[in-house]
Amino acid sequence: DTAVSQTPKYLVTQMGNDKSIKCEQNLGHDTMYWYKQDSKKFLKIMFSYNNKELIINETVPNRFSPKSPDKAHLNLHINSLELGDSAVYFCASSQAPPMTGALSYEQYFGPGTRLTVT
Amino acid sequence: RKEVEQDPGPFNVPEGATVAFNCTYSNSASQSFFWYRQDCRKEPKLLMSVYSSGNEDGRFTAQLNRASQYISLLIRDSKLSDSATYLCVVNPSTGFQKLVFGTGTRLLVSP
Repeated sequence: DTAVSQTPKYLVTQMGNDKSIKCEQNLGHDTMYWYKQDSKKFLKIMFSYNNKELIINETVPNRFSPKSPDKAHLNLHINSLELGDSAVYFCASSQAPPMTGALSYEQYFGPGTRLTVT
Repeated sequence: RKEVEQDPGPFNVPEGATVAFNCTYSNSASQSFFWYRQDCRKEPKLLMSVYSSGNEDGRFTAQLNRASQYISLLIRDSKLSDSATYLCVVNPSTGFQKLVFGTGTRLLVSP
């Protein structure tokens, strides 16, 4: 039983193309995320959605557009792909955090999508 | 200055050794702290949360020093299966879970 799944696992495409990555979680979590891990292994948050509502957008180029049709899915669409977009993209989910207080919940990551732009 | 800094390693140790990793964070208002583990070409997975009083989980001990903005992870009796990258993770804010990851410390345990 895969908790957080992503498709495709590998994606090779040419510059200028448009592509999508899909993510689904069956954990019943309210919050989902997209992260980018670059060639230097630096993992950085891109977006976060809580109950289908965008709550974090980390100054990502607007060529990247997340879409959450329901709270179990968070897809990432990328327009006009560039060489610098080559990376591993991880989807993650967690319980919704309390609006006050310091508690953070564990984030569960999908297996990643390795995107190569040529 | 990076929000979360770690020595990238690699740390090469023999089986059975004790190894310690350190991490510093820049935001003194940070609220939550974690160690995640990432195996090669795999996703990160939570290893343990880090509490102010320090906490232990089997061979793993995590410590937090808020005054020095410093987090540590101690692994005792290293196993071959401990070979991985250990990511120091901080939530600098309350409310939303914006985790900030360090670049990781690579550990190689040899027979």
